[in-house]
Amino acid sequence: AQTVTQSQPEMSVQEAETVTLSCTYDTSENNYYLFWYKQPPSRQMILVIRQEAYKQQNATENRFSVNFQKAAKSFSLKISDSQLGDTAMYFCAFTGRNNDMRFGAGTRLTVKP
Amino acid sequence: NAGVTQTPKFQVLKTGQSMTLQCAQDMNHEYMSWYRQDPGMGLRLIHYSVGAGITDQGEVPNGYNVSRSTTEDFPLRLLSAAPSQTSVYFCASSYVPGSYEKLFFGSGTQLSVL
Repeated sequence: AQTVTQSQPEMSVQEAETVTLSCTYDTSENNYYLFWYKQPPSRQMILVIRQEAYKQQNATENRFSVNFQKAAKSFSLKISDSQLGDTAMYFCAFTGRNNDMRFGAGTRLTVKP
Repeated sequence: NAGVTQTPKFQVLKTGQSMTLQCAQDMNHEYMSWYRQDPGMGLRLIHYSVGAGITDQGEVPNGYNVSRSTTEDFPLRLLSAAPSQTSVYFCASSYVPGSYEKLFFGSGTQLSVL
């Protein structure tokens, strides 16, 4: 079964600075999809960004971008110009041939003023 | 525009009691799933379904049953609740499983088993 590992339980960053959250995964598949979801204190799950494994170009969404290293099975999230509203839990997720989506344990990010 | 609706939002059970968590979506999604969220463990998949009449087990299926008689509904049943099932439960759905499609999540159910 695929596994997703987030090795940073907690991180903090100063407002307006840049922070990178790490994610690694284990799979034998060649075609799959990777996601980052944000969960603020409201408990709502919000899609931040997604990446198709067959696309070499890293996905970007405004201040959010990823560094996708397929050979290393790494999918890190970079948040630029951090804002107080970015404070949340961030989950990395994987889906592939098995039709289910697996999540990592999450990273709690705190943006400090 | 309801999306994914979960009921109840909060529930307290005694050990050994049974209950059903309800989940309904109005987006004609084929894929539906149940997760539990525990501190330090992220979201763990309990059961999922890729269409009416089709269900499969996820990472932590023991103690839970599901059925999918319609496209819209995917209830989760706890047959005999245990304190280890205290958690926040999320239902989620998407158009196509195993794809680029994002998951739409319900607002969650906070379950406490005493």
